Amino acid sequence: GENVEQHPSTLSVQEGDSAVIKCTYSDSASNYFPWYKQELGKRPQLIIDIRSNVGEKKDQRIAVTLNKTAKHFSLHITETQPEDSAVYFCAASKSSLTVIFGTGTLLAVQP
Amino acid sequence: IAGITQAPTSQILAAGRRMTLRCTQDMRHNAMYWYRQDLGLGLRLIHYSNTAGTTGKGEVPDGYSVSRANTDDFPLTLASAVPSQTSVYFCASSDVGQPNYGYTFGSGTRLTVV
Repeated sequence: GENVEQHPSTLSVQEGDSAVIKCTYSDSASNYFPWYKQELGKRPQLIIDIRSNVGEKKDQRIAVTLNKTAKHFSLHITETQPEDSAVYFCAASKSSLTVIFGTGTLLAVQP
Repeated sequence: IAGITQAPTSQILAAGRRMTLRCTQDMRHNAMYWYRQDLGLGLRLIHYSNTAGTTGKGEVPDGYSVSRANTDDFPLTLASAVPSQTSVYFCASSDVGQPNYGYTFGSGTRLTVV
């Protein structure tokens, strides 16, 4: 089955700096890669997703890149703000039948 | 109801007891899922259902069962709870086949088995 690895497990950045979270997946048939943000005590919420026919997608300060050959994808947050502090999960799926999550990255943005 | 509702919000359960976690959605999503979240392990899929009347096993199905009698409800049952089932349980749904596959999560159930 699919296995998703996520790094780093924790990340601390200064406000205004960029943050990058990286994930790898094992199943070359996976074709959908969502990212979720989970604030403390809250439910995970989808922030951006990318499909295997696209190499990059941007939405304001966040962007995701996908390298199908290497089977890795990354989340980039620019101009970080304190409200970006949360746990971020990457995930991989084959046509969204089941989504397998990474173990999460705790991002702390220091004011 | 708006989105997904889970009940109870939290529960302390004696080991060996039976427990059903409830999940109801009003978005008419065809697929529903149960995940457990444990520190350092992320979100792990327990069971899923792609449509009413069908269910499937996820990564960690042992000790859990589900049913999907209709589109809206997807209860998760622990037949005989054990302390290792202490976790936060999230129900989720998605509309498979639509351009946006993204999950909508419930607010979670914090279960402690003692």
